[in-house]
Amino acid sequence: SQTIHQWPATLVQPVGSPLSLECTVEGTSNPNLYWYRQAAGRGLQLLFYSVGIGQISSEVPQNLSASRPQDRQFILSSKKLLLSDSGFYLCASRGGVNNEQFFGPGTRLTVL
Amino acid sequence: GENVEQHPSTLSVQEGDSAVIKCTYSDSASNYFPWYKQELGKRPQLIIDIRSNVGEKKDQRIAVTLNKTAKHFSLHITETQPEDSAVYFCAASGSNYQLIWGAGTKLIIKP
Repeated sequence: SQTIHQWPATLVQPVGSPLSLECTVEGTSNPNLYWYRQAAGRGLQLLFYSVGIGQISSEVPQNLSASRPQDRQFILSSKKLLLSDSGFYLCASRGGVNNEQFFGPGTRLTVL
Repeated sequence: GENVEQHPSTLSVQEGDSAVIKCTYSDSASNYFPWYKQELGKRPQLIIDIRSNVGEKKDQRIAVTLNKTAKHFSLHITETQPEDSAVYFCAASGSNYQLIWGAGTKLIIKP
C-alpha cells in the first residue's frame, strides 16, 4: 500500500510571503496526484491534479501554483500569500484499480 | 459538469440508533462511489466504496446502497457508537480520474 508524506504539518505565514508545501508518495509509481484545500468546517476543494511529471491541471484560478518535478513529488507554491489562502492543505494519490484516493496527513496553513 | 449533492449537512442521532446519509450525482457515466470519514483535524479516510455494477455493499456496521437509475447512493451506519462522530464525505468518479465530492455531513452521536 502507498504512503503519502506532507510537510510541514503546521505553518503560520504573514500576508505577502511565499509558500512551498511538499508532498511525496511511497509504494506506487506514476500515481495521479492531487492538491486539495479545506477551509475550516468546509468541504474539499480540488486545486490541482497531475497525471505525470511536469503535467499540471488547475481547477481553480488563484495565486497558487503546483509543480511535479519527480514522479512521486508534488509541490504547491505561492509567490505572495493572501489571507484567504488559510486552510488545511491535503495531498492525495490515486491508487488501485478504482479511483480511490488516499490522503496525506495535511498541512494546516494560517496566513496572518 | 458533474455535481454531487449530499444531505443532510448535519445529522444528530442517539447512540445505538442508525444513521443514513444520502448523495445524488448528475453524471450517468460515474461508475465509482466512495465514502470517506474525516475526524476533527485529521485526513479523510476511505471507509467503504461501491462500483456501479453492484447495488449494495456491507462491511460490519456500515453499508452503502446505489440506485443507478435514480443516480443516488447512501451510507448506512447501524448501532452507532461515539467513535462514529465525524464528518462524512461522499464522492463520485468524474473525468480524468478525479473524484467529485459532496459537501460533507457532520454526524453527531448523542450519548
